[in-house]
Amino acid sequence: EVQLVQSGAEVRKPGESLKISCKVSGYSFTSHWIAWVRQMPGKGLEWMGIIYPRDSDTRYSPSFLGQVTISADQSINTAYLQWSSLKASDTAMYYCARLVAVADLDYWGQGTLVTVSS
Amino acid sequence: EIVLTQSPDTLSLSPGERATLSCRASQSVSGYLAWYQQKPGQAPRLLIYDTFTRATGIPARFSGSGSGTDFTLTISSLEPEDFAVYYCQQRDNWSGSFGQGTRLEIK
Repeated sequence: EVQLVQSGAEVRKPGESLKISCKVSGYSFTSHWIAWVRQMPGKGLEWMGIIYPRDSDTRYSPSFLGQVTISADQSINTAYLQWSSLKASDTAMYYCARLVAVADLDYWGQGTLVTVSS
Repeated sequence: EIVLTQSPDTLSLSPGERATLSCRASQSVSGYLAWYQQKPGQAPRLLIYDTFTRATGIPARFSGSGSGTDFTLTISSLEPEDFAVYYCQQRDNWSGSFGQGTRLEIK
């Protein structure tokens, strides 16, 4: 069974750093891209970027380039999304999802709620 | 970057009725057009990919159509569990984007 299990909710202050994770199981981690998607409170879905764990090829949406870093660790089947300096506007639910060439985002994590508040 | 615009923003219908949701792209989409359903407090669920193909376990009342810049998700006869928010999504050379969503609510 394919599963993407994300790390738990986080509360941080503006200016702090953060790294959230997405651990996959049930398929070969290096065979498919992983996408990160943002959903701000009460708003729609936003495509942040994708990573191919086999070689860490990463593609960012223009809106998120330079704002976040996407990475992956093959040894533990885990993808990451990180910020070096959080802003209040980073408050959102963040989802990881498996990206399949034919079927797009076919499996999703449960989401990680990030709250940034002073 | 391809911009997707969904219409209407909100659609009010009754169970048993037919729902037609639209998604228009700012430029031609290669065919990787997908639709997702999201219910409150849940992650999105893939319904349709490659414009027409239902994902595993998706009922036959859901169908996708379209080409170029205009795409449609049709729900032939609404069930109570279908009332949710629906998003279209495109992927062009590994760069993707979502529409703003259509809220399907009970009339």
